[in-house]
Amino acid sequence: QSVLTQPPSASGTPGQRVTISCSGSSSNIGSNTVNWYQQLPGTAPKLLIYSNNQRPSGVPDRFSGSKSGTSASLAISGLQSEDEADYYCAAWDDSLNGVGFGGGTKLTVL
Amino acid sequence: QVQLVESGGGLVKPGGSLRLSCAASGFTFSDYYMSWIRQAPGKGLEWVSYISSSGSTIYYADSVKGRFTISRDNAKNSLYLQMNSLRAEDTAVYYCARADGQWLVQGYRYYFDYWGQGTLVTVSS
Repeated sequence: QSVLTQPPSASGTPGQRVTISCSGSSSNIGSNTVNWYQQLPGTAPKLLIYSNNQRPSGVPDRFSGSKSGTSASLAISGLQSEDEADYYCAAWDDSLNGVGFGGGTKLTVL
Repeated sequence: QVQLVESGGGLVKPGGSLRLSCAASGFTFSDYYMSWIRQAPGKGLEWVSYISSSGSTIYYADSVKGRFTISRDNAKNSLYLQMNSLRAEDTAVYYCARADGQWLVQGYRYYFDYWGQGTLVTVSS
C-alpha cells in the first residue's frame, strides 16, 4: 500500500495532452511540496518536477506540475514516444518522518 | 558532473547482513542530505532512509527500522547502508540519491535531484 495514490496506467497518442493524478493526505501533500520522477525502462529514476511546479534545467516545458489541497497532478503536453515511462509522485510525510511515494503510473504512448 | 556510484549488493541468505556503499563525486558531499530508496523487482519506489548533511538527523522507514543503519563519511564522500537481519522482502535494487531539503512557507521541500544507477540486493536461501 503506497503512501500516495496514483492510477496504475495512463495512455495517449503522440501530440496529445495527458495528466496523471496523485492523491495524498494532510500529512504529506496537504502540508509539503510535491515532486515527480520519471523512470525510463531499465534506468534509474530522474527528477522531473520539484516543489509542486518547478522544472529542473533540461526538462522540457511540455512537463508541468500543479497541486491543490491534498492532490497533485502532472501534465504532459505534446506527448512523444520517448515519454513512455513510469511516473512517480512523492512528498515528505510528517507522520512518517520520511518520503511517501505513489505507486507509480505506467504511461503508454499509443 | 554529479556522480553517485553504489556498490556492495549481491546474494545473501535470509538473516544475513550486507553493507552498501555510495561513492559521491562532482559536488560538495558534506553540504547535502542523502537518502536510500529501493525498488523491488517489478514494483514501485520505496524510501528507505534519510541522513542530514552532518549525519546528526536520521530517519528510517518502518519496514527497516531496527535492522538497517544509515551513515556517512564526509571526509570520504561516501554514504553507507548497513543491512542486518535481511528478509526476502528486502530484495530490491537500492539507489542512493542526493537530496535537497528546505523548510518553506508551503511546507518541507525535500526532493532527490540526483540518483545512482542502483545495486541489486537479493535475499534468498
